[in-house]
Amino acid sequence: AQSVTQPDIHITVSEGASLELRCNYSYGATPYLFWYVQSPGQGLQLLLKYFSGDTLVQGIKGFEAEFKRSQSSFNLRKPSVHWSDAAEYFCAVTGNMLTFGGGTRLMVKP
Amino acid sequence: SQTIHQWPATLVQPVGSPLSLECTVEGTSNPNLYWYRQAAGRGLQLLFYSVGIGQISSEVPQNLSASRPQDRQFILSSKKLLLSDSGFYLCAWGPGSGGVADTQYFGPGTRLTVL
Repeated sequence: AQSVTQPDIHITVSEGASLELRCNYSYGATPYLFWYVQSPGQGLQLLLKYFSGDTLVQGIKGFEAEFKRSQSSFNLRKPSVHWSDAAEYFCAVTGNMLTFGGGTRLMVKP
Repeated sequence: SQTIHQWPATLVQPVGSPLSLECTVEGTSNPNLYWYRQAAGRGLQLLFYSVGIGQISSEVPQNLSASRPQDRQFILSSKKLLLSDSGFYLCAWGPGSGGVADTQYFGPGTRLTVL
């Protein structure tokens, strides 16, 4: 069965600083990979997804993620964080079903 | 474009009372539909999914049930709520052609508090 690990439960960055959220997965074949964002009290919004092809994937809101098969990772990045990016971020992988990581809560300092 | 609705947005219910949460999808046909629960400070737990009318798969045994009476309607129910049923309930849809492992799109959620 597939699994997803997001090692960082909380991350705090200053506004304008760069961001990288870590995601490691376990799956025996080439996975489909996703990043979602959840603002407080809201549903999940899809940021980006990787199915195949270029391993650097561009998403909405200026986010990107890079699939690294050798490291079983799919880390999310943003070059300059805005206060409105404060939210919880979920990485997910599909095998026979979509499986979510535990989430990383991002806080942004002014 | 596709949209997904959930209601009510918030609900406060006493222990032992029944529950009915509704989810509807617009702008697509024959979607896969999903119910998740998100307890405070925890990740998402898949409760049920459906690949068609009347077809329900349960991922976690509990006092909740789901039904899909129409193609784009998914209902989560309980006959008697427990305190442990409190949480944030999310409905999601995915393209039926892609299988249950394809992209999922989430509704706004229902906050349920059982007292």
